[in-house]
Parts: sequence; C-alpha cells; structure tokens
Amino acid sequence: EVQLVQSGAEVKKPGESLKISCKGSGYSFTSYWIGWVRQMPGKGLEWMGIIYPGDSDTRYSPSFQGQVTISADKSISTAYLQWSSLKASDTAMYYCVRQPPVGAIQYWGQGTLVTVSS
Amino acid sequence: EIVMTQSPATLSVSPGERATLSCRASQSVSSNLAWYQQKPGQAPRLLIYGASTRATGIPARFSGSGSGTEFTLTISSLQSEDFAVYYCQQYNNWPDFGPGTKVDIK
Repeated sequence: EVQLVQSGAEVKKPGESLKISCKGSGYSFTSYWIGWVRQMPGKGLEWMGIIYPGDSDTRYSPSFQGQVTISADKSISTAYLQWSSLKASDTAMYYCVRQPPVGAIQYWGQGTLVTVSS
Repeated sequence: EIVMTQSPATLSVSPGERATLSCRASQSVSSNLAWYQQKPGQAPRLLIYGASTRATGIPARFSGSGSGTEFTLTISSLQSEDFAVYYCQQYNNWPDFGPGTKVDIK
C-alpha cells in the first residue's frame, strides 16, 4: 500500500526556519516524483513544486521559486519542504503528493499544518 | 500560465438530485484535466483523471466530460457523503488548480 506520512504540526515565529518532511512507503521511492501543495486557511489548493528523488531533479512553480526549498533523502525515502525565514503568510496546510510531472495526483499525505505567529 | 476557473462557487443541491459542476481553462489543456473532492479536515481525493476516467474505487455516479477548455463534473444522484468542495486541476503544463466549487445541502 502506497503511503505518504508527513511530520506533525508546527508553530513558529516570523523569521524562524522550518523543515517539514514526508516519508514514502509501499513503493519505490526513487522512481516517482514527490510534490508539495499548499492550502491556506479556508482557501484552495496551490501547487508548489516537485522533486524526483532518484536524481534530485527539482522544479518549482514560479509563485514559489525562491520562497521555499524542496529536497529529498532517498536513503530514508523522505522528501522535505523548508523555509529559511517564515512569514505569517506561510500559515497553511501543506500536503505532499506523489504524482508524475504531467499527471493527476493519486496519492496524498495527511498534511502538515504550519502556523506562523508572533 | 493557464488560469483555471470553476462555476458556480457554491452549488446547493438536495440529496438525490443531480449536480453539474463546470471548469474552464484559459487555454486548451487537451484532456489533461483531473477532478478532486475535499471534505473538511481531509486531504483531497482524486475522482477523475484524463477528463473522463474514474479513479480506482470512485462510484459510477461521478462522471467527467469535456476537452480543450471546457469541462464538466456530474454527480448523477447526490449522496450525503458527496457534500464537499470539488477542485479541477489541469496538468497539460505546470499543474494549476481551479478555485473550487462547494456543494452543500439545499
């Protein structure tokens, strides 16, 4: 069974750094792209970017380029989303997903809620 | 950038009735269009891909149609568990989601 298990909720202050994780299991982690999707409170879905863990090829939505960093550690089947300096506007639910670079999203993680507040 | 729009923003339907949701792309996405259902507190779930192919385990009351720029999701007879928010997503180019249609109880 394909599973994407994300790290737990985080509460941070503006300016702090953060790295959240997504561990894949039940499939060959290095053979499928992993993406990240943002959902701000009460809002819709925004696609942020993807990484191919096999070779770390990474692509970002223009809206998120330079704002976040996507990485992966294939030795532990885990992808990451990180911020160097959080803003209050980063408050959102973040989902990791397994998807082809051109394709629908069949598998979703359970989501990680990030709250940024002073 | 392809801009996705959905209408209506909210659809009020009685259980057992038919619901028709629309999705429009600002330029052709061929049949590279998916529909997702999201219930409160849950991750989205894939319903339809390739504009008209039901994902595994999706009931036959859900159907998708369209190609190019105009797409429709039809729920033939709404069940209580179908009241949710529905998003379309194009994946012809960089993936983009529509703003969603909330289906609520009339």
